[in-house]
Amino acid sequence: SQQGEEDPQALSIQEGENATMNCSYKTSINNLQWYRQNSGRGLVHLILIRSNEREKHSGRLRVTLDTSKKSSSLLITASRAADTASYFCATRGNQFYFGTGTSLTVIP
Amino acid sequence: GAVVSQHPSWVICKSGTSVKIECRSLDFQATTMFWYRQFPKQSLMLMATSNEGSKATYEQGVEKDKFLINHASLTLSTLTVTSAHPEDSSFYICSAAWGQGSNQPQHFGDGTRLSIL
Repeated sequence: SQQGEEDPQALSIQEGENATMNCSYKTSINNLQWYRQNSGRGLVHLILIRSNEREKHSGRLRVTLDTSKKSSSLLITASRAADTASYFCATRGNQFYFGTGTSLTVIP
Repeated sequence: GAVVSQHPSWVICKSGTSVKIECRSLDFQATTMFWYRQFPKQSLMLMATSNEGSKATYEQGVEKDKFLINHASLTLSTLTVTSAHPEDSSFYICSAAWGQGSNQPQHFGDGTRLSIL
């Protein structure tokens, strides 16, 4: 399976702190995408990083990709209570698979 | 941003009923739509990929006759759960992408919670 594995499974931080989530995958990819899911809702696309890119920024989000290690990280800086959600990485190669997700809780 | 509407958001029905879920891309043409299933506190499991005008490609282990997918237009795909049973109860989510979806983000509907009694 090409499913990504994410860690930690759950993360709880204070508002204002940074949150880092990691994703590892198994096979070659065209791109890797990060999504956010609020409880009981659909997913919202956050950022896409292509296989030939190493780092990408979008607002308070920073994503890195290391294809040699088959891993990616998502950093959310200066977290807010509204960032509380589940975060998933998704890899796109021949197939499209979602990781197991990290449940982030930001405490006000 | 791109908007995908999924309907209904919640269905409760008796065992043996067939349930149709609609997924519409409201402001863009979705050449590819994806259907996922999600169990509580778990990740999304891709069920099938559908391209407009052609048959859906189902993932291994997903019954084609059980989960009928139709992608008749660039803005609408439907998933019909035929003769639903309690084990089909789950959260079903669709997504839509422009092009073949390879380097395009997916835009998700808000999901349908299906409960079979």
